[in-house]
Amino acid sequence: DAGVIQSPRHEVTEMGQEVTLRCKPISGHDYLFWYRQTMMRGLELLIYFNNNVPIDDSGMPEDRFSAKMPNASFSTLKIQPSEPRDSAVYFCASSPTSGYINEQFFGPGTRLTVL
Amino acid sequence: AQSVSQHNHHVILSEAASLELGCNYSYGGTVNLFWYVQYPGQHLQLLLKYFSGDPLVKGIKGFEAEFIKSKFSFNLRKPSVQWSDTAEYFCAVGGFQKLVFGTGTRLLVSP
Repeated sequence: DAGVIQSPRHEVTEMGQEVTLRCKPISGHDYLFWYRQTMMRGLELLIYFNNNVPIDDSGMPEDRFSAKMPNASFSTLKIQPSEPRDSAVYFCASSPTSGYINEQFFGPGTRLTVL
Repeated sequence: AQSVSQHNHHVILSEAASLELGCNYSYGGTVNLFWYVQYPGQHLQLLLKYFSGDPLVKGIKGFEAEFIKSKFSFNLRKPSVQWSDTAEYFCAVGGFQKLVFGTGTRLLVSP
């Protein structure tokens, strides 16, 4: 299995631009999670999906952030417009379980730099 | 609400020293407990997990953790660290559907 795949691995953009991060979860996993990691705030859960449906988006920082999961094998996290404070590493993770949480498998992350 | 506390934010050890990283959690229901490791520049990887049974859990690379229910703790241990153990370590508690992570402990092992 290829594991969780994220693209791009690195993104450098200018303030005000739209940024789209992509994630392909492990085949057969029902849950998909988006996290943001910064030095100041650590690892934060932004949103998660179960069977392609958003379950909890309370961690999404503001309306500039949106996430979709159009099918079981693809999800996007979009920031529009981007700001320098959005600079972080964004991780996607997937999990095979239902009910009580099981292990999450993390992707390699996307390092976003907003100038 | 679930919460996880990792009291040691930074730990510096010499090679061959013993390691113990503290983790305390707060959760009212059935808990599943995890330790993840993040090597420099890499993603989080599972070190070990506890769901039920023997409270002493052995993971990869010589790590182990002990679940002490009465203390709401799940401390990570390794008898003798190596330089390659330099990384950030995250404790996490799982309840229904999602994990709650601690703030992480950065471990630096000097050769």
